[in-house]
Amino acid sequence: NAGVMQNPRHLVRRRGQEARLRCSPMKGHSHVYWYRQLPEEGLKFMVYLQKENIIDESGMPKERFSAEFPKEGPSILRIQQVVRGDSAAYFCASSTGAAGANVLTFGAGSRLTVL
Amino acid sequence: KQEVTQIPAALSVPEGENLVLNCSFTDSAIYNLQWFRQDPGKGLTSLLLIQSSQREQTSGRLNASLDKSSGRSTLYIAASQPGDSATYLCAVNPPHSNYQLIWGAGTKLIIKP
Repeated sequence: NAGVMQNPRHLVRRRGQEARLRCSPMKGHSHVYWYRQLPEEGLKFMVYLQKENIIDESGMPKERFSAEFPKEGPSILRIQQVVRGDSAAYFCASSTGAAGANVLTFGAGSRLTVL
Repeated sequence: KQEVTQIPAALSVPEGENLVLNCSFTDSAIYNLQWFRQDPGKGLTSLLLIQSSQREQTSGRLNASLDKSSGRSTLYIAASQPGDSATYLCAVNPPHSNYQLIWGAGTKLIIKP
């Protein structure tokens, strides 16, 4: 069991480009969460997905950001037209049920740098 | 609005000492509280989860307590080791959502050999 796999681990983009971050949840987990962590800060909830459904995207900016978790394949967090303020570590976590009631398993994160 | 604070932001202690990390939250209405460990360049590892009805949880050398009325939780680490060096984060789960977690900024712990 490889745990939660995130790729790429590091991504560099210029302003205006698109960033795609992928997350493969732990085997048997159908709940995926994305968090963003700025330097020296805690994590901020972005979006909660189950297979083919967005359950809660209240923490995700409405513009430029989107997320999906298709029936087949990894969950993808997409950031269009990136700006310098998007530079952060993006963590994906998965669980068998809702976070809070169930232990989250985190990936190693994807670190986005926008030049 | 729930806010989670962890003080100090950084802590350095000699190996072998017992230590306490603090977490405070502004709204006592929580579903549960979790402690995580974050190693540099890696993801987070869940350490302990305390339900709102519980007072403490133990795992090996770790003991986490919860006092909802005062809005505080502590993580006690016994006989610290250099391998305990990491950033420790606490997160609370508000009752209005059974999946959102509100996070503290963490305490960076360094255990000196």
